[in-house]
Amino acid sequence: GAGVSQSPSNKVTEKGKDVELRCDPISGHTALYWYRQSLGQGLEFLIYFQGNSAPDKSGLPSDRFSAERTGGSVSTLTIQRTQQEDSAVYLCASSLGLAGGGPYEQYFGPGTRLTVT
Amino acid sequence: AQTVTQSQPEMSVQEAETVTLSCTYDTSESDYYLFWYKQPPSRQMILVIRQEAYKQQNATENRFSVNFQKAAKSFSLKISDSQLGDAAMYFCACDSNYQLIWGAGTKLIIKP
Repeated sequence: GAGVSQSPSNKVTEKGKDVELRCDPISGHTALYWYRQSLGQGLEFLIYFQGNSAPDKSGLPSDRFSAERTGGSVSTLTIQRTQQEDSAVYLCASSLGLAGGGPYEQYFGPGTRLTVT
Repeated sequence: AQTVTQSQPEMSVQEAETVTLSCTYDTSESDYYLFWYKQPPSRQMILVIRQEAYKQQNATENRFSVNFQKAAKSFSLKISDSQLGDAAMYFCACDSNYQLIWGAGTKLIIKP
């Protein structure tokens, strides 16, 4: 079946502009995760959705970052007034979540490489 | 707080040889899962292998196997007959309720 898809694959934007990143999870996966990964670094957790609600937003680095999920499916991560330090790869993952009862292995999309100039 | 530690930032191995990547973790859960993920230069994260903590038998997937030491909270990954396509970042992770707690990763270099 189809895996997790993300768009765009690459995004170059000017400092101060807003960007929207999209994630389409695997059908039936109730849990969705956003991560940020700087070059050569590990995964930085941003936010977790179970269905449409986000019980854990603890990883969002500032109030310029927000995310929503509609219909328990597609999610968008929005970064307002982008800064150069926002440049990174943004990864989305989905899993069966609480409905699956574990294990909570996550399936990843190919990521969006964001470059802020 | 649950933590996952990968103490080797980088490892290298000769093609066709065997290499072991280390991972230790700390969790208060009695039942949990452990994972190894691979991220090649294409940046696509791929699940390599998983281990259920209540199973004593070490998981194996073809050339990949784990050495799971529950008491020591150690979960190392052994790659046998290393191939050039194994070159990647390898991340160890432990599940915690709904989330995965991630290690910092080990970069694996394969020498031809």
